[in-house]
Amino acid sequence: SQQGEEDPQALSIQEGENATMNCSYKTSINNLQWYRQNSGRGLVHLILIRSNEREKHSGRLRVTLDTSKKSSSLLITASRAADTASYFCATPRSMNRDDKIIFGKGTRLHILP
Amino acid sequence: DTGVSQDPRHKITKRGQNVTFRCDPISEHNRLYWYRQTLGQGPEFLTYFQNEAQLEKSRLLSDRFSAERPKGSFSTLEIQRTEQGDSAMYLCASSSYTGELFFGEGSRLTVL
Repeated sequence: SQQGEEDPQALSIQEGENATMNCSYKTSINNLQWYRQNSGRGLVHLILIRSNEREKHSGRLRVTLDTSKKSSSLLITASRAADTASYFCATPRSMNRDDKIIFGKGTRLHILP
Repeated sequence: DTGVSQDPRHKITKRGQNVTFRCDPISEHNRLYWYRQTLGQGPEFLTYFQNEAQLEKSRLLSDRFSAERPKGSFSTLEIQRTEQGDSAMYLCASSSYTGELFFGEGSRLTVL
C-alpha cells in the first residue's frame, strides 16, 4: 500500500534555481525520510525529520513537515547538475509501527545546464 | 568499504530458472530489508528481518520467493521458477534503531 505520494512526478529546472518537491501521506507517523536515487543505483538517505520537528536543514537541503496537513516538502537550493536524480519520501506504516518503511513513487528531477 | 553490498549486480536468466541474490548488511545493523523496484516506480517492500527473524513478508511475494538471514548476518533472496514479471531491481537495505535505511547498489534481474 502506498503511504507517501510525491508531487510533481517530474521536474526540470535550470542549474542554479531552487527545486521544491512535496510529499503527502495518509496515516499519522513519527518520522519521515527523504532519499535520492541516481539512475540505476541504490538509494541514498538524505534526511530524517521527526514529527516534533517542523523544519530541518542539511547543506543545500531544507525539509519541512506539517503533521496537521500530513505533508512534507524538500527544497534543494542553488541546484547543480549532480542533483539530477529521483527523490523519494519514505514513511513508517503507522505511528506505532516504525519497522516497515514505505516509499512513494518519487519525483524525477532534471537539472538543465 | 563497510556499506551494504549486494551480489550479483546483474543477473540474466531464462524463464523457469532459479536465481539467488545475496546481501551483506552493515555489520552492526539488526534490521535488513528487501525491496523490489521497477522502472519509474518507487521501491516496493518485500520482506524484512530483525536479526535472524523474518518479521513480515509482503503479499506481493508469491510462494516462489523465499528469503533467509541465517545467524542474523547476511541474507539471501531466492526466486524459484522465474517469470518475466520478476524482472526488476532487487534492493537490500539495513538499518539500526535510528531508522535510516542504508541501501546497497541493487541486483538487477532480467528474465528472458
